[in-house]
Amino acid sequence: ETGVTQTPRHLVMGMTNKKSLKCEQHLGHNAMYWYKQSAKKPLELMFVYSLEERVENNSVPSRFSPECPNSSHLFLHLHTLQPEDSALYLCASSQYAQSSYEQYFGPGTRLTVT
Amino acid sequence: AQSVTQLDSQVPVFEEAPVELRCNYSSSVSVYLFWYVQYPNQGLQLLLKYLSGSTLVKGINGFEAEFNKSQTSFHLRKPSVHISDTAEYFCAVSDIKAAGNKLTFGGGTRVLVKP
Repeated sequence: ETGVTQTPRHLVMGMTNKKSLKCEQHLGHNAMYWYKQSAKKPLELMFVYSLEERVENNSVPSRFSPECPNSSHLFLHLHTLQPEDSALYLCASSQYAQSSYEQYFGPGTRLTVT
Repeated sequence: AQSVTQLDSQVPVFEEAPVELRCNYSSSVSVYLFWYVQYPNQGLQLLLKYLSGSTLVKGINGFEAEFNKSQTSFHLRKPSVHISDTAEYFCAVSDIKAAGNKLTFGGGTRVLVKP
């Protein structure tokens, strides 16, 4: 595997379910990100982890719970979601030190909440 | 805080015609500027970025962008598009002095290349 991978690619869940999204990066980066991409809205940064420590949480509801066990893996645990949470969830990684560094994105998980 | 405005949500263009995607930003601090592309069913990929120096930046796939500080713009151009350029394009900025690289994205411009 190369780059940034995300599983599953598609997920349909009911509002009472619990599921997790997984992201893995094979680039040796030290920072990982979760973004939400909804129709007709700009990409929203949800969480940032640097060296496995959460450094940003952009007022995300508690029904989204991130976990970063090491610098290569990032999870997003989901529970009691709402229909408006249906979106494409993108994971990215980068070197955190400087804002000039590009971010490398995974293909995303398309989430549908029914 | 920064904000990014992409003035066109959709741009239809014929194959081999030129295309320009507009991006304006607002920021109280100096920023780095990026253009990303998202092909159908894929994540975002960096096209090019402006950090400093020459205001004309060349990227992959024949794209280029020009930074205009006075107009706070960073428009993306390609002189001749291909069908394979059909995608969504995102302009983004990051604060030069911020710890870490957190991007603020525009709303995206969907380019549809017609034969």
